[in-house]
Amino acid sequence: AQTVTQSQPEMSVQEAETVTLSCTYDTSENNYYLFWYKQPPSRQMILVIRQEAYKQQNATENRFSVNFQKAAKSFSLKISDSQLGDTAMYFCAFMKPRYAGGTSYGKLTFGQGTILTVHP
Amino acid sequence: EAQVTQNPRYLITVTGKKLTVTCSQNMNHEYMSWYRQDPGLGLRQIYYSMNVEVTDKGDVPEGYKVSRKEKRNFPLILESPSPNQTSLYFCASSLIKGNEQFFGPGTRLTVL
Repeated sequence: AQTVTQSQPEMSVQEAETVTLSCTYDTSENNYYLFWYKQPPSRQMILVIRQEAYKQQNATENRFSVNFQKAAKSFSLKISDSQLGDTAMYFCAFMKPRYAGGTSYGKLTFGQGTILTVHP
Repeated sequence: EAQVTQNPRYLITVTGKKLTVTCSQNMNHEYMSWYRQDPGLGLRQIYYSMNVEVTDKGDVPEGYKVSRKEKRNFPLILESPSPNQTSLYFCASSLIKGNEQFFGPGTRLTVL
């Protein structure tokens, strides 16, 4: 079974600075997807960024980028130029490819979450 | 607007009183899933469905039932709720061939 670990329960950063959230995972799969979701106080789950394991290039979405280290099974999220609206809980998640089938078809396995607070 | 809706958004009930949380999506997605979110545990999958009349257990199915009679709807049923089912519940949907799941707004359930 896959596991996802976020070792930082809480992080804080000053507005306009950069912060990195850590995520490690354990799997025997070679192909899979990794995601970062943001959950603001509204509780809505918002997809921030995704990475396909077969792609070596790190994914980027505007101020958000990842450092994907497949051999180390590490998937950290870097937020540049932090904004007050980035204050939220962030979840790292893993998903097996759909062709893998089985009982975990399409299931997202989430980490415990990291609460990020951006200070003015 | 493409979306996943859940009702109710908030519910306080008592032990043993059957309840249903509805989930509906308007994106013609085949795959639908229920998760519960608890502090320190992230989100865990309860049940999922790959299409009409096809459902299967996730990681924490005990105490829950689901049905998929129509493609757009995937209700979560608690036949006899207990306090340990107090949680935040999310419904999600996606295309079978896609990898992005779209989440509903969440349902905060409290069982007294």
